[in-house]
Amino acid sequence: DTGVSQDPRHKITKRGQNVTFRCDPISEHNRLYWYRQTLGQGPEFLTYFQNEAQLEKSRLLSDRFSAERPKGSFSTLEIQRTEQGDSAMYLCASSLSAGSYGYTFGSGTRLTVV
Amino acid sequence: DQQVKQNSPSLSVQEGRISILNCDYTNSMFDYFLWYKKYPAEGPTFLISISSIKDKNEDGRFTVFLNKSAKHLSLHIVPSQPGDSAVYFCAASYLNSGNTPLVFGKGTRLSVIA
Repeated sequence: DTGVSQDPRHKITKRGQNVTFRCDPISEHNRLYWYRQTLGQGPEFLTYFQNEAQLEKSRLLSDRFSAERPKGSFSTLEIQRTEQGDSAMYLCASSLSAGSYGYTFGSGTRLTVV
Repeated sequence: DQQVKQNSPSLSVQEGRISILNCDYTNSMFDYFLWYKKYPAEGPTFLISISSIKDKNEDGRFTVFLNKSAKHLSLHIVPSQPGDSAVYFCAASYLNSGNTPLVFGKGTRLSVIA
C-alpha cells in the first residue's frame, strides 16, 4: 500500500468551470476526510466519511461543493461553477475509526482558478 | 475566529539544540491535541498526540506538554536535526480522538541550521 493517493496533483481551470478531484485512501481505513488549505493557513476541515456515509460537513462546504464515497473506498470532491476564491490545496486523509494516531494525508490537489 | 493559534510563524534553531514550538487554544471543549509536520509538496504527517487527561507525552526526540489551565501546549524537539526543518501544525479535536474532524493552527516554520 502506497498511502493516500490524490489525483490530479495540479488543476488549472477557468472561473465558472466544474472540477472533480479523486482520493484513494489506505485500503483498510474506513474514515476519509477532505480539507482545504490556503496560503499561510492551516488545513480547514470540509467533510468526512465513515465507509460510504458522510458524517459531517463544514459550513465552508457551500452548495457548489459535493463529495461522495460511493462504495466506501475512493472518494470524489466536485466543485461546480468555480470561483477564484476556490483556489487552494485540497487535501484528502484517511484513518481507522478506532485508535489515536491521527490521519494519513495525501499530497493534495492544488487548484488554481483563473 | 482562530480557535487554535500558533503565534510564531517561524523559528530558527541550531542543530543539536532544543526546538520549542508553542500552540494556544481558546475552546475549552477541545480534549485531544496533535502535532503534524509538513514538508514542501507533501501532505502533513502525524507526529505526536496527547489526550487532555495527560500533561506530557514523549516519543523519541519529540515531547508534547499540555497545560490545560493555560490552554497551552508545546512541542519540544531534542536534539534538533536539519531534517526536522519543516512547517509544524498544531491541531485539536472535541471528541478525544485524532480520528475525527480537527481544527488546525496556521503553522510554524522551523529551520534547523547546521
